[in-house]
Amino acid sequence: DIQMTQSPSSVSASVGDRVTITCRASQGINNWLAWYQQKPGNAPNLLIYAASILQGGVPSRFSGSGSGTDFTLTISNLQPEDFATYYCQQAHSFPSSFGQGTKLEIK
Amino acid sequence: QLQLQESGPGLAKPSETLSLTCTVSGGSITSYSYYWSWIRQPPGKGLEWIGTIYYSGSTYYNTSLKSRVTISIDTSKNQFSLRLSSVTVADTAVYYCAQRGGLGRAFDLWGQGTMVTVSS
Repeated sequence: DIQMTQSPSSVSASVGDRVTITCRASQGINNWLAWYQQKPGNAPNLLIYAASILQGGVPSRFSGSGSGTDFTLTISNLQPEDFATYYCQQAHSFPSSFGQGTKLEIK
Repeated sequence: QLQLQESGPGLAKPSETLSLTCTVSGGSITSYSYYWSWIRQPPGKGLEWIGTIYYSGSTYYNTSLKSRVTISIDTSKNQFSLRLSSVTVADTAVYYCAQRGGLGRAFDLWGQGTMVTVSS
């Protein structure tokens, strides 16, 4: 099974900052990587798929990169609505798996 | 527009079987490009993929839950279901159904989730 490891587990930042979250797969997954945003009490929401393609309606301040085993999610010019928990997920093969999550908090 | 809605008991007793159903509306569950999944989230914790089913009946399960999980599909009702046997308090979670569509095999549509508590 493929294990997904996210870092950091939590990060504090201010409005307007730039934040980078990393995700590492235990084996190569090409670009089969998705990122989700989850706010308290809500279901996760797909932000990015295929490592770097923004889901429709997602602001361009979100970007994703990487291939193989190492991936990043970058949020530029943080907005108040971006403070949430972010998860990566490998879509390469079954069984599927998620990272443990990164909580983005307001500094 | 496709929508997913989970339903089922919000309470289960230890050692019993948890059963949930996800109803798909606004589209057909037999669409060739869609896979249907269950994902759960214990209170205050992260997401755990439980399993996925294709309309043909092919299933894929989490290795650690495989012995207790059954996912089935009822194309006549446009529903798919989860059964988790021998539950313990560790199975207390919000259970989500989700669609894996054509966007990089990601889960691009989710139900709102349903909380299931395992308690005697």
